[in-house]
Amino acid sequence: EVQLVESGGGLVQPGGSLRLSCAASGFTFRSYPMHWVRQGPGKGLAWVSRISDDGGSATYADSVKGRFTISRDNAKNTLYLEMNSLRGEDTAVYYCVRDNGSPEIWGQGTLVTVSS
Amino acid sequence: DVVLTQSPLSLPVTLGQPASISCRSSQSLAHSNGNTYLNWFQQRPGQSPRRLIYKVSNRDSGVPDRFSGSGSGTDFTLKISRVEAEDVGVYYCMQSTHWPPYTFGQGTKLEIK
Repeated sequence: EVQLVESGGGLVQPGGSLRLSCAASGFTFRSYPMHWVRQGPGKGLAWVSRISDDGGSATYADSVKGRFTISRDNAKNTLYLEMNSLRGEDTAVYYCVRDNGSPEIWGQGTLVTVSS
Repeated sequence: DVVLTQSPLSLPVTLGQPASISCRSSQSLAHSNGNTYLNWFQQRPGQSPRRLIYKVSNRDSGVPDRFSGSGSGTDFTLKISRVEAEDVGVYYCMQSTHWPPYTFGQGTKLEIK
């Protein structure tokens, strides 16, 4: 069974940092590009970042460019999102998503709250 | 960036009746490779999103055949032939033709009348 399990969310002050992780299982992780997608409280879905299957290429939404870094460790079947200079508007549930031509399988999400 | 506009944003439907959601794009979603990367997602209350349809009309594994997708260019539709109670939730269209960024519609909330 394909599983994506996010962790690392929590409460952080504005300007702070957080690293999210996503543990993948049930499929050949190194063969798939991966995404992070977020959903603010009571809001819609917003794409954050994508990384290629080998980790050699990454793209970002303008709203997080220069502050967030996506990475992966294919030996550990794990996806990461390093988030710096966090703002209130970054408060959201962050989902790890497998790409199979487009975002396909979603994890359960991890909540990030940016507040003083 | 491609803007996707869904309508309606709220959709009350009687059980057993059909439902239809429109998704209009600010530019054609036809890729130079001949594919059109328009996808539909369902998010049930309290759950993560689930992809229902990819490349306009292809149902994902396990998706009931009462769900169908159609359209081309800039106009797309998700149809549910007979709404069931388990279909309650929010439906999003999403394009993956012109990226970055990948973009989503605002979401359509389907409820039972």
